[in-house]
Amino acid sequence: QAQLVESGGGVVQPGGSLRLSCRVPSFMSQYSVFHWVRQAPGKGLEWLAVISFDGKKASSADSVKGRFTISRDSSKNTVDLQMTRLSADDTAIYSCAKSSTMATSPFDHWGQGTLVTVSS
Amino acid sequence: EVVLTQSPDTLSLSPGESATLFCRASPPVTSNYLAWYQFKPGQAPRLLVYAATSRAFEIPDRFSGSGSGTSFSLTISRVEPEDFGVFYCQQYEGTPRTFGQGTRVE
Repeated sequence: QAQLVESGGGVVQPGGSLRLSCRVPSFMSQYSVFHWVRQAPGKGLEWLAVISFDGKKASSADSVKGRFTISRDSSKNTVDLQMTRLSADDTAIYSCAKSSTMATSPFDHWGQGTLVTVSS
Repeated sequence: EVVLTQSPDTLSLSPGESATLFCRASPPVTSNYLAWYQFKPGQAPRLLVYAATSRAFEIPDRFSGSGSGTSFSLTISRVEPEDFGVFYCQQYEGTPRTFGQGTRVE
């Protein structure tokens, strides 16, 4: 089954920035909506942000608003998450997921995730 | 924000046994836009059930979802070795989409 593939994770210092990418299979790009979700060690799943297939609609969770920005690069077929002012609380596995609509549809495809560690 | 509470935290099963996992919603998910996912180490998570009762594509019929409003469940009949992992419920009625804390089936 074709999957979403995340990249860009790693170790970053507190206060730093990191950009994650989610590579989207070409056939999946059109008319799909993409999300970022994270799971901190020992904690639950947290939805972070969503963007429409054309990049014109986007929203993010209050917990990361103003620090994290979701975007689409149609030329590269990626969905990116720019993360700034990172703290230890942002240490987590970050995954992208796809749904058919902005709301009212589940995540029908997921990536395996990329690990972000915020540490000095 | 919709809070989802799953129970039990852990289920210990042998292949061939059946199990029911529960997910309570507060406030109610009136649209029944509730999904169940299976997480296994080293694999992409898999959608099992959506809209509370509809099985996702290529999901075996031993997985079945039921419930509405505040109380939902996922039943696994005749557990097979590949069915182990952590199961999460998620509501997608409102923003933010929220998840339960998970039930580990071991």
